[in-house]
Amino acid sequence: AQSVSQHNHHVILSEAASLELGCNYSYGGTVNLFWYVQYPGQHLQLLLKYFSGDPLVKGIKGFEAEFIKSKFSFNLRKPSVQWSDTAEYFCAVMVNFGNEKLTFGTGTRLTIIP
Amino acid sequence: NAGVTQTPKFQVLKTGQSMTLQCAQDMNHEYMSWYRQDPGMGLRLIHYSVGAGITDQGEVPNGYNVSRSTTEDFPLRLLSAAPSQTSVYFCASSSPPPGDYGYTFGSGTRLTVV
Repeated sequence: AQSVSQHNHHVILSEAASLELGCNYSYGGTVNLFWYVQYPGQHLQLLLKYFSGDPLVKGIKGFEAEFIKSKFSFNLRKPSVQWSDTAEYFCAVMVNFGNEKLTFGTGTRLTIIP
Repeated sequence: NAGVTQTPKFQVLKTGQSMTLQCAQDMNHEYMSWYRQDPGMGLRLIHYSVGAGITDQGEVPNGYNVSRSTTEDFPLRLLSAAPSQTSVYFCASSSPPPGDYGYTFGSGTRLTVV
């Protein structure tokens, strides 16, 4: 079965710092990849997704992610974070459309210091 | 546009009681899912549906039932509540892949079983 690892459990950055959150998955075949964000007290929101094509995908709020197949990675990046980016970030993988099983990582809590 | 609406937002049950968590979406999404979120474990899929009349089990289906009689509604039933079912429950919906595929989540139901 596929799994997702987010090795950074809690990241603390100052405003304007650059961000990179790691996401690695274990599955040898074709995957569909997602990043979700959960602001304090709110529901999950889709930041970006990758199905195929250009491995560099851009999402909402200035986030982007790069799919590196050889490294089984889908890291999330933002060049300059803001205090409002304080949230929990979840990477997720779906192997097959139709079985609809999104496998989530355990999440990375991001705290931005003003 | 309300999106995905979950009721109730909070619920306390006694062990052995049954209840139904409601989920409704107004986006005409064919796909709907239920997840539970537990600390340190990310989100895990309970049940999902790819259309009215079609449901299937996810990763952690035991103790839960679902049905999908309409496109809009996807209720989750707890048959006999146990303390292990204390969790935050999220309903989600999506259009079929690819295109606009990507789950929209509701605001969650926080369930405590005592």
